[in-house]
Amino acid sequence: GQQVMQIPQYQHVQEGEDFTTYCNSSTTLSNIQWYKQRPGGHPVFLIQLVKSGEVKKQKRLTFQFGEAKKNSSLHITATQTTDVGTYFCAGVNNDMRFGAGTRLTVKP
Amino acid sequence: KAGVTQTPRYLIKTRGQQVTLSCSPISGHRSVSWYQQTPGQGLQFLFEYFSETQRNKGNFPGRFSGRQFSNSRSEMNVSTLELGDSALYLCASSLGQGVSYEQYFGPGTRLTVT
Repeated sequence: GQQVMQIPQYQHVQEGEDFTTYCNSSTTLSNIQWYKQRPGGHPVFLIQLVKSGEVKKQKRLTFQFGEAKKNSSLHITATQTTDVGTYFCAGVNNDMRFGAGTRLTVKP
Repeated sequence: KAGVTQTPRYLIKTRGQQVTLSCSPISGHRSVSWYQQTPGQGLQFLFEYFSETQRNKGNFPGRFSGRQFSNSRSEMNVSTLELGDSALYLCASSLGQGVSYEQYFGPGTRLTVT
Protein backbone atom coordinates (compact mmCIF):
# COMPACT_ATOMS: atom_id res chain seq x y z
CA GLY A 1 0.00 0.00 0.00
CA GLN A 2 0.87 3.64 -0.18
CA GLN A 3 3.51 4.78 2.29
CA VAL A 4 4.53 8.36 3.01
CA MET A 5 7.92 8.94 4.57
CA GLN A 6 8.79 12.29 6.09
CA ILE A 7 12.17 13.55 7.27
CA PRO A 8 13.62 14.76 9.48
CA GLN A 9 11.67 13.69 12.53
CA TYR A 10 12.94 16.63 14.57
CA GLN A 11 14.55 19.92 13.68
CA HIS A 12 15.84 22.46 16.14
CA VAL A 13 16.86 25.83 14.69
CA GLN A 14 17.94 29.22 15.89
CA GLU A 15 15.43 31.95 15.15
CA GLY A 16 16.20 33.39 11.75
CA GLU A 17 17.56 30.15 10.29
CA ASP A 18 15.83 28.31 7.49
CA PHE A 19 13.96 25.01 7.84
CA THR A 20 13.01 22.31 5.36
CA THR A 21 10.98 19.12 5.72
CA TYR A 22 10.71 16.48 3.01
CA CYS A 23 8.08 13.93 2.10
CA ASN A 24 8.40 10.95 -0.17
CA SER A 25 5.64 8.62 -1.28
CA SER A 26 6.06 5.05 -2.48
CA THR A 27 3.36 5.67 -5.10
CA THR A 28 2.33 8.52 -7.35
CA LEU A 29 -0.09 10.83 -5.60
CA SER A 30 -3.15 12.63 -6.90
CA ASN A 31 -2.26 15.50 -4.59
CA ILE A 32 -0.43 16.28 -1.39
CA GLN A 33 -1.56 18.41 1.49
CA TRP A 34 0.43 20.05 4.27
CA TYR A 35 -0.76 20.62 7.82
CA LYS A 36 0.67 22.27 10.91
CA GLN A 37 -0.09 21.12 14.42
CA ARG A 38 0.88 23.32 17.33
CA PRO A 39 1.70 21.62 20.65
CA GLY A 40 -1.58 20.55 22.26
CA GLY A 41 -3.52 21.56 19.19
CA HIS A 42 -5.03 19.93 16.15
CA PRO A 43 -3.77 19.84 12.56
CA VAL A 44 -4.48 22.98 10.58
CA PHE A 45 -4.51 22.93 6.79
CA LEU A 46 -1.72 24.91 5.14
CA ILE A 47 -1.88 24.11 1.46
CA GLN A 48 -2.68 21.58 -1.24
CA LEU A 49 -0.47 20.82 -4.23
CA VAL A 50 -2.00 19.10 -7.23
CA LYS A 51 0.11 19.65 -10.33
CA SER A 52 3.41 18.03 -11.19
CA GLY A 53 6.28 20.40 -10.39
CA GLU A 54 3.96 22.84 -8.63
CA VAL A 55 5.48 25.50 -6.37
CA LYS A 56 3.36 27.62 -4.04
CA LYS A 57 4.39 30.32 -1.60
CA GLN A 58 2.75 31.63 1.53
CA LYS A 59 4.83 34.50 2.90
CA ARG A 60 7.95 32.77 4.28
CA LEU A 61 6.71 29.26 3.41
CA THR A 62 7.48 27.61 0.07
CA PHE A 63 5.86 24.34 -0.93
CA GLN A 64 7.00 22.14 -3.81
CA PHE A 65 5.52 19.08 -5.48
CA GLY A 66 7.91 16.89 -7.42
CA GLU A 67 7.72 16.26 -11.14
CA ALA A 68 6.79 12.62 -10.57
CA LYS A 69 4.19 13.60 -7.94
CA LYS A 70 5.88 11.34 -5.43
CA ASN A 71 7.75 13.83 -3.30
CA SER A 72 7.21 17.21 -1.77
CA SER A 73 8.94 19.71 0.45
CA LEU A 74 8.11 22.59 2.74
CA HIS A 75 10.72 25.28 3.24
CA ILE A 76 10.47 28.06 5.80
CA THR A 77 12.75 31.05 5.38
CA ALA A 78 13.99 32.92 8.44
CA THR A 79 12.07 30.96 11.06
CA GLN A 80 10.24 32.72 13.86
CA THR A 81 9.15 31.42 17.25
CA THR A 82 5.58 31.34 15.95
CA ASP A 83 6.63 28.63 13.48
CA VAL A 84 7.06 26.02 16.23
CA GLY A 85 4.94 22.93 15.84
CA THR A 86 4.81 19.72 13.90
CA TYR A 87 4.48 19.88 10.14
CA PHE A 88 2.75 16.98 8.43
CA CYS A 89 2.47 16.10 4.81
CA ALA A 90 -0.50 13.99 3.71
CA GLY A 91 -0.39 12.05 0.47
CA VAL A 92 -3.74 11.58 -1.20
CA ASN A 93 -4.92 8.86 -3.52
CA ASN A 94 -8.01 6.91 -2.54
CA ASP A 95 -7.26 7.68 1.06
CA MET A 96 -5.04 10.07 2.94
CA ARG A 97 -1.72 8.87 4.36
CA PHE A 98 0.09 11.19 6.72
CA GLY A 99 3.83 11.38 7.09
CA ALA A 100 5.20 10.98 10.60
CA GLY A 101 5.67 14.73 10.84
CA THR A 102 8.64 16.97 11.52
CA ARG A 103 8.68 18.64 14.90
CA LEU A 104 10.20 22.09 14.64
CA THR A 105 11.52 23.95 17.64
CA VAL A 106 12.89 27.47 17.36
CA LYS A 107 15.31 28.96 19.84
CA PRO A 108 14.87 32.74 20.23
CA LYS B 1 -18.73 29.87 11.02
CA ALA B 2 -18.26 27.66 14.01
CA GLY B 3 -15.49 25.12 13.66
CA VAL B 4 -15.64 21.36 13.97
CA THR B 5 -16.71 20.30 17.43
CA GLN B 6 -16.04 17.00 19.12
CA THR B 7 -17.47 15.56 22.30
CA PRO B 8 -16.38 14.53 24.77
CA ARG B 9 -12.92 16.09 24.85
CA TYR B 10 -11.54 13.58 27.31
CA LEU B 11 -12.58 10.06 28.14
CA ILE B 12 -11.27 7.29 30.36
CA LYS B 13 -12.48 3.76 29.73
CA THR B 14 -11.57 0.27 30.87
CA ARG B 15 -10.41 -2.56 28.62
CA GLY B 16 -13.33 -4.45 27.14
CA GLN B 17 -15.72 -1.53 27.28
CA GLN B 18 -17.04 0.29 24.27
CA VAL B 19 -17.03 3.99 23.52
CA THR B 20 -18.88 6.39 21.22
CA LEU B 21 -17.35 9.66 20.09
CA SER B 22 -19.28 12.46 18.44
CA CYS B 23 -18.35 14.98 15.79
CA SER B 24 -20.27 17.96 14.45
CA PRO B 25 -18.85 19.29 11.17
CA ILE B 26 -18.68 22.84 9.99
CA SER B 27 -22.06 23.99 8.74
CA GLY B 28 -22.41 23.09 5.08
CA HIS B 29 -19.74 20.42 5.13
CA ARG B 30 -21.06 17.02 4.16
CA SER B 31 -17.94 14.92 4.52
CA VAL B 32 -16.60 13.76 7.86
CA SER B 33 -13.40 11.78 8.27
CA TRP B 34 -11.97 10.22 11.39
CA TYR B 35 -8.32 9.86 12.32
CA GLN B 36 -6.39 8.26 15.15
CA GLN B 37 -3.26 9.99 16.40
CA THR B 38 -0.74 8.22 18.63
CA PRO B 39 2.93 8.97 19.38
CA GLY B 40 3.96 5.64 17.91
CA GLN B 41 1.83 5.40 14.77
CA GLY B 42 1.22 9.06 14.07
CA LEU B 43 -1.90 10.20 12.26
CA GLN B 44 -3.84 7.35 10.70
CA PHE B 45 -6.98 7.54 8.60
CA LEU B 46 -9.91 5.56 9.96
CA PHE B 47 -12.79 6.23 7.61
CA GLU B 48 -14.74 8.86 5.74
CA TYR B 49 -18.46 9.43 5.57
CA PHE B 50 -20.33 11.42 2.98
CA SER B 51 -24.10 11.63 2.65
CA GLU B 52 -24.53 9.07 5.42
CA THR B 53 -22.45 6.45 3.59
CA GLN B 54 -18.96 5.24 4.35
CA ARG B 55 -16.88 6.13 1.30
CA ASN B 56 -13.36 5.18 2.33
CA LYS B 57 -11.88 3.05 5.05
CA GLY B 58 -8.41 2.80 6.50
CA ASN B 59 -6.69 -0.29 7.77
CA PHE B 60 -8.35 -0.70 11.15
CA PRO B 61 -10.13 -3.72 12.66
CA GLY B 62 -13.89 -4.08 12.58
CA ARG B 63 -14.07 -2.94 16.22
CA PHE B 64 -13.86 0.56 14.82
CA SER B 65 -17.07 1.67 13.19
CA GLY B 66 -18.89 4.84 12.46
CA ARG B 67 -21.98 6.38 11.08
CA GLN B 68 -23.22 9.68 9.77
CA PHE B 69 -26.60 11.23 10.27
CA SER B 70 -28.72 13.22 7.85
CA ASN B 71 -27.48 16.50 9.41
CA SER B 72 -23.88 15.38 8.65
CA ARG B 73 -23.03 14.84 12.29
CA SER B 74 -20.99 11.71 12.78
CA GLU B 75 -20.28 9.23 15.51
CA MET B 76 -17.44 6.79 15.87
CA ASN B 77 -17.72 3.66 17.96
CA VAL B 78 -14.97 1.46 19.28
CA SER B 79 -16.02 -1.83 20.82
CA THR B 80 -14.06 -4.17 23.08
CA LEU B 81 -11.48 -1.51 23.91
CA GLU B 82 -7.82 -2.46 24.09
CA LEU B 83 -4.97 -0.62 25.79
CA GLY B 84 -3.58 0.20 22.36
CA ASP B 85 -6.71 2.15 21.49
CA SER B 86 -5.55 4.95 23.78
CA ALA B 87 -5.12 7.86 21.41
CA LEU B 88 -6.29 11.25 20.28
CA TYR B 89 -9.24 10.75 17.93
CA LEU B 90 -9.66 13.57 15.48
CA CYS B 91 -12.49 14.19 13.15
CA ALA B 92 -12.27 16.46 10.16
CA SER B 93 -14.91 17.85 7.89
CA SER B 94 -14.67 19.01 4.31
CA LEU B 95 -16.92 20.45 1.66
CA GLY B 96 -16.79 17.65 -0.84
CA GLN B 97 -16.56 13.91 -0.89
CA GLY B 98 -13.16 12.37 -0.63
CA VAL B 99 -9.99 13.29 1.18
CA SER B 100 -8.76 15.39 -1.73
CA TYR B 101 -10.53 18.31 -0.15
CA GLU B 102 -9.04 20.50 2.54
CA GLN B 103 -9.69 18.90 5.91
CA TYR B 104 -10.83 21.04 8.83
CA PHE B 105 -9.93 19.27 12.03
CA GLY B 106 -11.72 19.40 15.34
CA PRO B 107 -9.92 19.61 18.70
CA GLY B 108 -10.08 15.85 19.17
CA THR B 109 -11.20 13.44 21.85
CA ARG B 110 -8.43 12.07 24.01
CA LEU B 111 -9.28 8.50 24.92
CA THR B 112 -7.40 6.70 27.65
CA VAL B 113 -7.97 2.97 28.08
CA THR B 114 -6.90 1.48 31.40
